[in-house]
This record gives sequence, structure tokens and C-alpha cells, in this order.
Amino acid sequence: NAGVMQNPRHLVRRRGQEARLRCSPMKGHSHVYWYRQLPEEGLKFMVYLQKENIIDESGMPKERFSAEFPKEGPSILRIQQVVRGDSAAYFCASFDRVATNEKLFFGSGTQLSVL
Amino acid sequence: DQQVKQNSPSLSVQEGRISILNCDYTNSMFDYFLWYKKYPAEGPTFLISISSIKDKNEDGRFTVFLNKSAKHLSLHIVPSQPGDSAVYFCAARNSNSGYALNFGKGTSLLVTP
Repeated sequence: NAGVMQNPRHLVRRRGQEARLRCSPMKGHSHVYWYRQLPEEGLKFMVYLQKENIIDESGMPKERFSAEFPKEGPSILRIQQVVRGDSAAYFCASFDRVATNEKLFFGSGTQLSVL
Repeated sequence: DQQVKQNSPSLSVQEGRISILNCDYTNSMFDYFLWYKKYPAEGPTFLISISSIKDKNEDGRFTVFLNKSAKHLSLHIVPSQPGDSAVYFCAARNSNSGYALNFGKGTSLLVTP
């Protein structure tokens, strides 16, 4: 897990507020995945990004969720108007080449709690 | 729809014995399988993988077996150690369709001294 930094580790929001989750990939990595883990569930794919591009967002809810990975700075997962069902652990993972995505390096996650 | 299934939520094994974690999948197009290990409050870490062209891959105490006809794979840990206590996730991907890994719900392994 060393190298992929996610912040904050814990985020508490009230219903209707916005949540911003940040992910700084390992140095030199230009590919980022976001996964979500609901209680008692496995990790669910949300989105795959390269620098400045969204490659696959098939796992993202159609509304309220967005992600970006700008040329400079961390990847951001943004959830607008949060609801209780958004409460989950959100994990970011980075890697450097598509062919070796078994070498995904995960961050420690952001635990989002919606009150 | 859960394409990767880990039907045992938990497993308890005595130190020194073999731990066998099982995983079933439904998508016959999956061609690469991985096991990840996760400690509390940490992200998953890659453990071992296997391509669909193989039926076995070994790395130290860890061996993964793949039975394609049964759409089943298993992770063997021999000998089990208390430090192996963690949640183990099975994951699979179809290299020709997208980039996502499909994860099972995990099996919590407890290795007792």
C-alpha cells in the first residue's frame, strides 16, 4: 500500500452535502482506478482514468458522481448531494501499464459516512 | 450480478495447517485471476495471480489452482501463520473487455496459534 495516498481517511457528511475524495497515485503512475466497498460486500469497480482522460466509467452511478485525474494534482472522486447509501469505503488504486494491472497498488481508502 | 463468488465468509485454521480459500466465477470469458489480501484499515495488496492458460501457480507458501471446466479457483496457504489472518479477495478480469477487476465479497481467514 505504500505510495498511493488517499485523503481524507475518514469523511463525515450530512445528506445533501458534497464529498470530495482525493487520491495521489504512486510516483510515475498515470493510471488510476476507483473502487467502492459497501458493508459486507466486495470491491465494486467505479471508474478507470488516465491523466486528463476517463477511460472507463461503466461502474459509476449516472447521477451525482464524477471523477477526474488532471494533468497536475491528485485524482478526485466527487459525490454531490450525498445520501446515506453512499456510505462506504472508497479505494483508489494506481498502476503504470495496462498490461500489468495485477500490480495494482491500493491506497488505504476513504471511509465516507453520511449522516 | 455477482460474477465472482466467495461463498465462505469466514474460515478458521490452526497455525501450521493448510488454509484453502475457494472462489467460483460465472463469466467464462474471464482469463486472468488474482488474489488480494486485506488487513483492517488498509487497502488490498496483491498476493498471487494465474492466467487461464495455466492450472496452477505457486509462490512460496501460496498456491493458486484453477479449474476452468468447473469455473473454480482456490488459494492454498501452507503452512498457515497467524500473520496470514486477513480478508482474502478473489478477483477476475476479461482482458478483451474493459479494464475492471471483478471482486468477490471476500473470505475472512483467522489463523489461530
